[in-house]
Amino acid sequence: DGGITQSPKYLFRKEGQNVTLSCEQNLNHDAMYWYRQDPGQGLRLIYYSQIVNDFQKGDIAEGYSVSREKKESFPLTVTSAQKNPTAFYLCASSIVRTGKREQYFGPGTRLTVT
Amino acid sequence: AQTVTQSQPEMSVQEAETVTLSCTYDTSESDYYLFWYKQPPSRQMILVIRQEAYKQQNATENRFSVNFQKAAKSFSLKISDSQLGDAAMYFCACRQKSSGDKLTFGTGTRLAVRP
Repeated sequence: DGGITQSPKYLFRKEGQNVTLSCEQNLNHDAMYWYRQDPGQGLRLIYYSQIVNDFQKGDIAEGYSVSREKKESFPLTVTSAQKNPTAFYLCASSIVRTGKREQYFGPGTRLTVT
Repeated sequence: AQTVTQSQPEMSVQEAETVTLSCTYDTSESDYYLFWYKQPPSRQMILVIRQEAYKQQNATENRFSVNFQKAAKSFSLKISDSQLGDAAMYFCACRQKSSGDKLTFGTGTRLAVRP
């Protein structure tokens, strides 16, 4: 089945540790995105990538890093510099070449840092 | 910068009735797309409906339709014949052509469906 997978569904880490969230897609989409969702807020864009080996900061990139070495994969690292890392993280992808470009989302990862 | 506002944090509807969720947006561009996404308790974001700004005709998808008022920058979602499975958070989002594929989301409306 085609889709976007994020693993794990729940992730727990101690404060001060870096943690990497996985996002894989087999939709052959060019672009991939990472969003953060907090209670009472909409989704906020962390990083996005429209092509392999290239990515741009979103609205809240501080304390996060990404890589895009393969078209199918866009891992997100939450570093110890991120002041409030506990949140729900959503990965998305979209086609770039067509006009509609709606984004399709993965199931998300709930990260808890204590 | 573009902004998206959903002024109804919570809404409730009787099963089989119709409900309208409000959304306003602010953009300086003429070429943009608007979306409604549904987020059920599983938290998976599901695309409900899409509207291209250059199209005057309101988009429809089965029981879901929009009222797109471009001059007023309003983009409301109407759900007809509401079903229990429609209970979810609904997010309005806007994509400007100039900002690539970046989506700006509203804060969401939680919809409850009463049996």
